[in-house]
Amino acid sequence: DAGVIQSPRHEVTEMGQEVTLRCKPISGHDYLFWYRQTMMRGLELLIYFNNNVPIDDSGMPEDRFSAKMPNASFSTLKIQPSEPRDSAVYFCASSPGMAGELFFGEGSRLTVL
Amino acid sequence: GENVEQHPSTLSVQEGDSAVIKCTYSDSASNYFPWYKQELGKRPQLIIDIRSNVGEKKDQRIAVTLNKTAKHFSLHITETQPEDSAVYFCAAREGDTDKLIFGTGTRLQVFP
Repeated sequence: DAGVIQSPRHEVTEMGQEVTLRCKPISGHDYLFWYRQTMMRGLELLIYFNNNVPIDDSGMPEDRFSAKMPNASFSTLKIQPSEPRDSAVYFCASSPGMAGELFFGEGSRLTVL
Repeated sequence: GENVEQHPSTLSVQEGDSAVIKCTYSDSASNYFPWYKQELGKRPQLIIDIRSNVGEKKDQRIAVTLNKTAKHFSLHITETQPEDSAVYFCAAREGDTDKLIFGTGTRLQVFP
């Protein structure tokens, strides 16, 4: 398996633009997590899915953020409109089960100017 | 919800010395505590984990201890090597949920 695949690896955009980050989890993993990493706040959990269903989105910072998982092999995290304070590395991770190891993707580095 | 605090934020040691990183958690129902290592520009990767029915776990040069009464757990790295240099994150699973809450990370530098 190629592991968790994220795209794009780098995104530079201007304030107000829509940003869509994509994730393909490891086949057979039932859980998918979206984390945001910044120097100040470390790794923050934004939202997670179990069997494609959003379970907890309490970490999503604002209504500007939304996430979907239309099927077991694809998830998106969307920011609309983007702001400079959204600049961070966004990681997607998948896991085979409860309290299982998280397998992280390479991350998407977002810069909002 | 769960809150995880991690100390120190940075740690510098000489090659061959030991390194200890400490974390505390708030949710007494938490029962799973993994540690992740993130090398510069790379993804976090699991290095060791411990569950609440165990007080200590070792894997070669790394070990983790857990004190459920005090709600703290620690990572111990012995005989450190330059390739141990990375950011280390502790985490705790919140109660009976699947949420893994991370500490803010410790940047470890091992000098040759």
